[in-house]
Amino acid sequence: NAGVTQTPKFRILKIGQSMTLQCTQDMNHNYMYWYRQDPGMGLKLIYYSVGAGITDKGEVPNGYNVSRSTTEDFPLRLELAAPSQTSVYFCASNRGSRNTEAFFGQGTRLTVV
Amino acid sequence: QKEVEQNSGPLSVPEGAIASLNCTYSDRGSQSFFWYRQYSGKSPELIMFIYSNGDKEDGRFTAQLNKASQYVSLLIRDSQPSDSATYLCAVKTGANNLFFGTGTRLTVIP
Repeated sequence: NAGVTQTPKFRILKIGQSMTLQCTQDMNHNYMYWYRQDPGMGLKLIYYSVGAGITDKGEVPNGYNVSRSTTEDFPLRLELAAPSQTSVYFCASNRGSRNTEAFFGQGTRLTVV
Repeated sequence: QKEVEQNSGPLSVPEGAIASLNCTYSDRGSQSFFWYRQYSGKSPELIMFIYSNGDKEDGRFTAQLNKASQYVSLLIRDSQPSDSATYLCAVKTGANNLFFGTGTRLTVIP
């Protein structure tokens, strides 16, 4: 039971570098989400997708991009890393009805120095 | 802006006591409400969800929802040290997006 898989688990970036956080799910869920969690805070929605080819902005999209070419994969792209993007990033997926939970990946801890 | 507010905490209770966690939300169109538990350094895991007014019980956990007051709570009976974690309230909107509060850190003292 893989569920939601995120890679990498940890990463250190220098200011201005780019990287892609990978997320894949094997539950055939239509809905996928990217959240960031700053220390001692809740989760803030970055981007979400309701299906392959469809993405939309969440609460804090600036500095990030996403794509959804398949149902399984939902990568998050940081183009020009900034210290403010130091955070823990969680990918999640959901079947889509109101009473279904979101399943979370293990998280990616990103530090920008 | 979808706002979800939780009591700030941290909250400490003795082992065996009842822990009460509270959450309010601003979007009257919110459809369902979730409580997640998050251990330090781990991802959130679902405890329970509720979508109808009233109480919903699952073992030692009871979720309470009052849509008129835009209020949802979680009661943990017979609290155990293993319940020590951060509890996140999450609200699902009509667009099926899940918005989270900042969390309440609970410590159960043996």
